Amino acid sequence: IAGITQAPTSQILAAGRRMTLRCTQDMRHNAMYWYRQDLGLGLRLIHYSNTAGTTGKGEVPDGYSVSRANTDDFPLTLASAVPSQTSVYFCASSDPKTGGVQYFGAGTRLSVL
Amino acid sequence: AQSVTQLDSQVPVFEEAPVELRCNYSSSVSVYLFWYVQYPNQGLQLLLKYLSGSTLVESINGFEAEFNKSQTSFHLRKPSVHISDTAEYFCAARLYAGGTSYGKLTFGQGTILTVHP
Repeated sequence: IAGITQAPTSQILAAGRRMTLRCTQDMRHNAMYWYRQDLGLGLRLIHYSNTAGTTGKGEVPDGYSVSRANTDDFPLTLASAVPSQTSVYFCASSDPKTGGVQYFGAGTRLSVL
Repeated sequence: AQSVTQLDSQVPVFEEAPVELRCNYSSSVSVYLFWYVQYPNQGLQLLLKYLSGSTLVESINGFEAEFNKSQTSFHLRKPSVHISDTAEYFCAARLYAGGTSYGKLTFGQGTILTVHP
């Protein structure tokens, strides 16, 4: 069972470039999430999707966009990367039958120079 | 709005000593509570959860947490830690009503547990 797969594992990106972080799940969970993790700040929600075809803004959505064309995929796009977007990004999905337990991918480490 | 506060950013402890990682939440409605663990260069993994029933919940590797509604706390404890417990631990909360969870999962800032030999 793969669970949540994120790609790439890490990336160095020039400021101003466009970047899409990929996330795929094989658990058929309806809800998916994107977080960024920064030292001392814990995890902060960027965007979420409760079901295919719908998305919503989280705590820190500026500079990011998402789409949810199907149940399995939830890509995160940085249209024009800035150094403050240097972070570790985690994708997650959840199963409401278990009280909303979230399952996480291994993360993408992004450096914007 | 709800918030989750982990009172210690770092907790150093010697192997085989007991440890407590503190977590408090603030919410005007009922919550589900979770502890996640993150090992270096990995994603978060569920350690244990409180949804309902017994206020004391346990994990398979010896951790336990107790839901205390009056103190709005969900502290994580282990009576004897191992080197392999070195990791970052996150407390999280999610609102629920009528048995259905809703809203977002709110995370604390994390506590880095370092177990020394």
